[in-house]
Amino acid sequence: DAGITQSPRHKVTETGTPVTLRCHQTENHRYMYWYRQDPGHGLRLIHYSYGVKDTDKGEVSDGYSVSRSKTEDFLLTLESATSSQTSVYFCAIRTGDYGYTFGSGTRLTVV
Amino acid sequence: ILNVEQSPQSLHVQEGDSTNFTCSFPSSNFYALHWYRWETAKSPEALFVMTLNGDEKKKGRISATLNTKEGYSYLYIKGSQPEDSATYLCAFYNTDKLIFGTGTRLQVFP
Repeated sequence: DAGITQSPRHKVTETGTPVTLRCHQTENHRYMYWYRQDPGHGLRLIHYSYGVKDTDKGEVSDGYSVSRSKTEDFLLTLESATSSQTSVYFCAIRTGDYGYTFGSGTRLTVV
Repeated sequence: ILNVEQSPQSLHVQEGDSTNFTCSFPSSNFYALHWYRWETAKSPEALFVMTLNGDEKKKGRISATLNTKEGYSYLYIKGSQPEDSATYLCAFYNTDKLIFGTGTRLQVFP
C-alpha cells in the first residue's frame, strides 16, 4: 500500500527479550513515524524521524528506541520487552504537506 | 501535551440512520485536521484532510465540517450501512506530527 511495508506482521516474544520491528518505504519520503494502537487510546506516537539519523520522541517513547540509517528503513526496538508493550504497532510515512499513509501493522504479543 | 478528544466513544445505530461524531482540538496554531476510518486488523484509511476554517468535505455519504476558531470538527454519515461499521479517528497536525483522538467506534446493525 503506497510503498510502505512492515515486518514482521505478527510476533510473539518473551518478557525481557529484545525485539526489532521494521518499517520500509520505497518512495523516499523524509518523515516516518511509529505509533502503537491500544483499546481506548487511539493511535499514540512512539517516535518519529525527519531524516537519516534524525529522530525525536513522541508521547509514549519510554522503553523504545529507533534508528534510521537510511531513508527507506525506520526500525523500532524494544530493548527488553514487557507485557505492557503488547500492542499493534503502525508505521506511517508523510507523503505530502499533510498527507499520511499507514502500513498494515505489526501485532506484537509479549508473554 | 496536546489534547484531541472525540465523542461519543461508541455509537450503535440502525441501518439507514444518519449519525455524527465530534472531534475537539486546540484552536491555536492550527494547520490541519485529519479524519481516518479504521477497521480492526487493517491500516487506517484517510477520509479527509481539512485545513481551512469553514471547510466542508464530502465523500459519498460521509461529510465533515471544520471550525478552527472554536476547535472542533464534525463527521457526518448519512444513511448508515453495516459496512460503515468501523472506528473513526480524528488527528490534529502539529509540528510535523499527527496527534490522534481515541476514536469513535461505530456499529451499524441491519
